[in-house]
Amino acid sequence: KAGVTQTPRYLIKTRGQQVTLSCSPISGHRSVSWYQQTPGQGLQFLFEYFSETQRNKGNFPGRFSGRQFSNSRSEMNVSTLELGDSALYLCASSPGTGGSPLHFGNGTRLTVT
Amino acid sequence: QKEVEQDPGPLSVPEGAIVSLNCTYSNSAFQYFMWYRQYSRKGPELLMYTYSSGNKEDGRFTAQVDKSSKYISLFIRDSQPSDSATYLCAMSAWENYGQNFVFGPGTRLSVLP
Repeated sequence: KAGVTQTPRYLIKTRGQQVTLSCSPISGHRSVSWYQQTPGQGLQFLFEYFSETQRNKGNFPGRFSGRQFSNSRSEMNVSTLELGDSALYLCASSPGTGGSPLHFGNGTRLTVT
Repeated sequence: QKEVEQDPGPLSVPEGAIVSLNCTYSNSAFQYFMWYRQYSRKGPELLMYTYSSGNKEDGRFTAQVDKSSKYISLFIRDSQPSDSATYLCAMSAWENYGQNFVFGPGTRLSVLP
């Protein structure tokens, strides 16, 4: 079974631009969660989508948004990039029911200059 | 008090040593417990997943959960240089909006040949 796939692996953007990150979950998984990982803050939860609906949201500004498609693939968008948005963005999938663990992709490394 | 506490290390051990990694938590609602291993420039990889108190063994890895003390451990026997990575503990509980995952900050482990 293929794992969680995130594209692109690396991105370099300029402050003020916007960016879209993509995530393909494990086949059959209906839940996709997004996390931001930085050395100082660790893993911080952005949001979770389940069956195309945002089910939970972390404490990030409205510049961070996401969506999920009918095939469970998900995208995350960050508008008006700031230097502090430089981080590893991780996508994780799970069946979304029961007590299943999260399975992570290898992330997108975003650098904002 | 943070929801999950984990010693960030770094922890350096000689090859072949037994490694003990620990996390404490404050929320008694947590039901599911996980350990992830993260190599540099990669996403977290699920190592162990447990539901109840007690021990779970998988090869050289043993996960231990003590719900009464709110304490979980990961033991690595016969540690290898390839075990050098950051280890994240995680726990989850079902809330009315879905499954809430909380991660520790991670312990950086170096196994020296």
